[in-house]
Amino acid sequence: DFQMTQSPSSLSASIGQTVTITCRASQDISESLAWYQQKPGKAPRLLLFSTSNLESGVPSRFSGSGSGTDYTLTISSLQPEDFATYFCQQYFNTPPTFGQGTQVEI
Amino acid sequence: VHLQESGPGLVRPSQTLSLTCAVSGDAITDGRSPAGRSYWSWLRQLPGKGLEWIGFISNTGATFYNPSLESRVTISADTSKNHFSLEMTSVTAADTALYYCARDRPGIVAPASIFDFWGQGTMVAVSS
Repeated sequence: DFQMTQSPSSLSASIGQTVTITCRASQDISESLAWYQQKPGKAPRLLLFSTSNLESGVPSRFSGSGSGTDYTLTISSLQPEDFATYFCQQYFNTPPTFGQGTQVEI
Repeated sequence: VHLQESGPGLVRPSQTLSLTCAVSGDAITDGRSPAGRSYWSWLRQLPGKGLEWIGFISNTGATFYNPSLESRVTISADTSKNHFSLEMTSVTAADTALYYCARDRPGIVAPASIFDFWGQGTMVAVSS
């Protein structure tokens, strides 16, 4: 299985700040990467797929980049509703695998 | 599109875990990708750990499982009720998790294994 390693595991940020979360794959995943947001007690929400494609309805302050094994989720101008846990997921190889998550706290 | 998991919250060790996912707003028999396929998955979130994909069933009834669980897992569908189900045999405490069902995002490549709609999840504890 392809291993996905996220960093940091948690971070503290303020409203209006820009935050960056990194995801590293154990092998080249050819930009087959998705990002999800999860709030306590809620289902994960798809934010981006194919590294940088924004899912419908997702605010443009969320963006993604990367290639090969290294990928980044950036949240610009952090809003109160953005405090949540974020997961990356590769779908280049079966089975699809997820990172451990990054908790974004106030 | 709305998905809702249901099933017992407690399963005894060595028994079979059975969960159902009721789908509304989409038909599990419809093929929404250009290839005429749709895929419906089960995933789980182990306590304090990341998410694990269990397997999927397609609109045609084809199934595929995570090799790590394949020997114990069966996914099936009841098209008359528009729901699909998970059975996992010989459970142990290691199977204690929050179980989710999810839809594979329709696209050119199918299955994409990108999950655009999820249920709220149902917690299953394996304990005697």
